[in-house]
Order: sequence, then C-alpha cells, then structure tokens
Amino acid sequence: EDQVTQSPEALRLQEGESSSLNCSYTVSGLRGLFWYRQDPGKGPEFLFTLYSAGEEKEKERLKATLTKKESFLHITAPKPEDSATYLCALSGGYQKVTFGIGTKLQVIP
Amino acid sequence: NAGVTQTPKFRILKIGQSMTLQCTQDMNHNYMYWYRQDPGMGLKLIYYSVGAGITDKGEVPNGYNVSRSTTEDFPLRLELAAPSQTSVYFCAGAKMGGTEAFFGQGTRLTVV
Repeated sequence: EDQVTQSPEALRLQEGESSSLNCSYTVSGLRGLFWYRQDPGKGPEFLFTLYSAGEEKEKERLKATLTKKESFLHITAPKPEDSATYLCALSGGYQKVTFGIGTKLQVIP
Repeated sequence: NAGVTQTPKFRILKIGQSMTLQCTQDMNHNYMYWYRQDPGMGLKLIYYSVGAGITDKGEVPNGYNVSRSTTEDFPLRLELAAPSQTSVYFCAGAKMGGTEAFFGQGTRLTVV
C-alpha cells in the first residue's frame, strides 16, 4: 500500500529563517510526487511534480528535491506570505494518488 | 479562464436530507475527482471519472453518487445525509490520471 508521511506537522519560522519540510514515502512504482500549497479555506494549489530521484525544481523561495525514499521542500528566507499548509502527494498508478496530512507552516514577521 | 468551480461554498444539511455538490471545469481536463478533507486526515478520494460517461469508485464512496454527462461537469450527490459526511469537499481536474491536479475552492458541508 502506498504511504506518505509528512513531518513536522507544524513549523513556526521567523521571517528569513530557512528550513525544510519532509515527505517520506513508500510506493511500488512512482509515477510522480507532487507538492501543493493550501491556504485556509481554499483548495490545494499545485506547486511541483518530481518524477525521479535526483530531480529538483524551484519556484521563487521554494525548492523541491526527491530521493528514492523522501522528498524535501526547502524554503529559503521565507516571508509571512509563505504561511500555508504544504501537502505532499504521490501517484503510484494512473488512478491512485495518495496525499499526506500536510505541514502547517507559519512565518512570523 | 475560471479553472475548477464548485458550488455552493457552504451548506448545512439535516440528517436524511439529500443534496448535489456542483463542479464544473473549463480546463478541458479528461480526469475529474471528488475528494473529502477531514481534520488530521489526508485528502480521501470519493469518486473519479476518466471522461464523459465513465466513473469509478475511489477510497470512500459509500453514501455518495456521481455522474459525468459532459466533460465539463462532475456533480457529487449525497443521499440520506449523515453526520459522518460533515467535511470539506474538493473537486479537482487533471489532464491525465496520476498527474498534477487542479482543485476547486471547496464546499464546507455540515450535517446536523
């Protein structure tokens, strides 16, 4: 069974304090690993797809990386507007996408 | 380009009532999904569709029904609402199965 575990559940950072969110996974055959951002009262917003170990993608202050067992979302010099819940999900097949519970990030000015 | 649009945003139902959650998309997505999101739980797939006229059950389909008569619309029907169906419901679309999905804004449903 595909599994996604995100840590920590919550993270509080000072503005400018870089950190990383972790997504550990098990899957029989990875088709893609996804990162989403979810603001309160909104639907998840797609950020990145990673397909194979060693792949990296960047967008503004965010960089996602992938190994055979984990993915990291690195946040460099975060700003208060980066506060959100970040969801990790993986696809092990054409119909099946498994989501993690998410990491709630709060960036304090 | 509106993306994926859900209505209503909020709804309170009494136990035993029925309702339809509407979802429409203008992104020409073949695949569409209904998820529910509960506190402390990941998104759970209720039903999905791979194209007009084709639907299938997801992880938690009991108490729900769907139809897909057009590419654009994918309504979710709740029959005989129960308190366990209190949740936030998200509709999403994707070009292909197992790829990145684009979500609507959600419907917060409370069954009392």
